Amino acid sequence: GESVGLHLPTLSVQEGDNSIINCAYSNSASDYFIWYKQESGKGPQFIIDIRSNMDKRQGQRVTVLLNKTVKHLSLQIAATQPGDSAVYFCAENIGRGSTLGRLYFGRGTQLTVWP
Amino acid sequence: DADVTQTPRNRITKTGKRIMLECSQTKGHDRMYWYRQDPGLGLQLIYYSFDVKDINKGEISDGYSVSRQAQAKFSLSLESAIPNQTALYFCATSDSRDRGQETQYFGPGTRLLVL
Repeated sequence: GESVGLHLPTLSVQEGDNSIINCAYSNSASDYFIWYKQESGKGPQFIIDIRSNMDKRQGQRVTVLLNKTVKHLSLQIAATQPGDSAVYFCAENIGRGSTLGRLYFGRGTQLTVWP
Repeated sequence: DADVTQTPRNRITKTGKRIMLECSQTKGHDRMYWYRQDPGLGLQLIYYSFDVKDINKGEISDGYSVSRQAQAKFSLSLESAIPNQTALYFCATSDSRDRGQETQYFGPGTRLLVL
């Protein structure tokens, strides 16, 4: 079955450093991926997404990289700030068949930014 | 996301009680979802609805039921609450017109404690 997992459950970085959060997925049919940020006491918030026909997408201070060969997804946050402290989830969407529209979430990585 | 609201935000109930969690959205999305989140884990799908007349079970539907009263409203019921249903519950919405790039937008969550 499908699974989306994270290599590391926690990540601590110093303010100003770059952060890299990794995610592995197992379903080669997945064709859309999303990163979410969840702050304490809040619902997950969309950060950035990427289609399977791309290998890189950039947003404001964030970059998502997709390596379909090894089924790996990463989120890079540049110049990490204290406000970036949160749990980050990757999610995959198999965009066809009976699971169309459904997202499968990984367990999440807790990012802590130290001053 | 303020366009997706959940009530109540916090609820304490006793084992055996029936409770209902409600979700409303003003995003005009046709698809709605209910997820459960346990500490340290990702989101697990309970039920989802692709339109008013369409209800589908997710991975962990046992002990839960749902009602899609209108396109904008999707409620989750626990018929007879038990302590291991203590969790955070999130409602989410998506737009099928996004086809293959269906970002889900989450409500603020309901924290449920079953004693």
